[in-house]
Amino acid sequence: DQQVKQNSPSLSVQEGRISILNCDYTNSMFDYFLWYKKYPAEGPTFLISISSIKDKNEDGRFTVFLNKSAKHLSLHIVPSQPGDSAVYFCAAHDNAGNNRKLIWGLGTSLAVNP
Amino acid sequence: NAGVTQTPKFQVLKTGQSMTLQCAQDMNHNSMYWYRQDPGMGLRLIYYSASEGTTDKGEVPNGYNVSRLNKREFSLRLESAAPSQTSVYFCASSVGMGSGSINEQFFGPGTRLTVL
Repeated sequence: DQQVKQNSPSLSVQEGRISILNCDYTNSMFDYFLWYKKYPAEGPTFLISISSIKDKNEDGRFTVFLNKSAKHLSLHIVPSQPGDSAVYFCAAHDNAGNNRKLIWGLGTSLAVNP
Repeated sequence: NAGVTQTPKFQVLKTGQSMTLQCAQDMNHNSMYWYRQDPGMGLRLIYYSASEGTTDKGEVPNGYNVSRLNKREFSLRLESAAPSQTSVYFCASSVGMGSGSINEQFFGPGTRLTVL
């Protein structure tokens, strides 16, 4: 069963508007969450992260919000640009055991239309 | 710095053939990973190496073997390729997998493998 869920496979927004990508998780022991961005024919690249002890982290146009009680996080991109068109993966730190792996969502494909 | 490099970029195999995917990183990272990405399946961990000299199975290890050759290099071997192994394979590395640090992983560009 998926521990990290991105329920929207795709999202389309207009340039200049806000993009909101959502991610839900089931394991309350996750202590860090990361967002990665992936362009076609390239490997994923790290975008932004948030610790489970915070509820917001901001980096330029990108802000991640964490709602621990709802086990939900979201990535906001404001304003959206055509170059933001990519697949976005949510990942969580599995804090169990000595080797802490990343648990990945299936991704959301974002299209920003000019 | 080249980051994480992978060879080859593309490969076509026939069922039953073997091959090795190569991965190297120049960031002095301790941990390395092999993932596969299939449509609608996200990234699935095949094997990982927490540190030089150690390797462990991930989520989908069947049909694969790995070798952590040294701190820089981590190879993935398909002994007898099957059509189900058609996928895009990504190698990644990170500073470490221990507690107290963010396991931010850096990815290579991927190898697109087709097994006929």
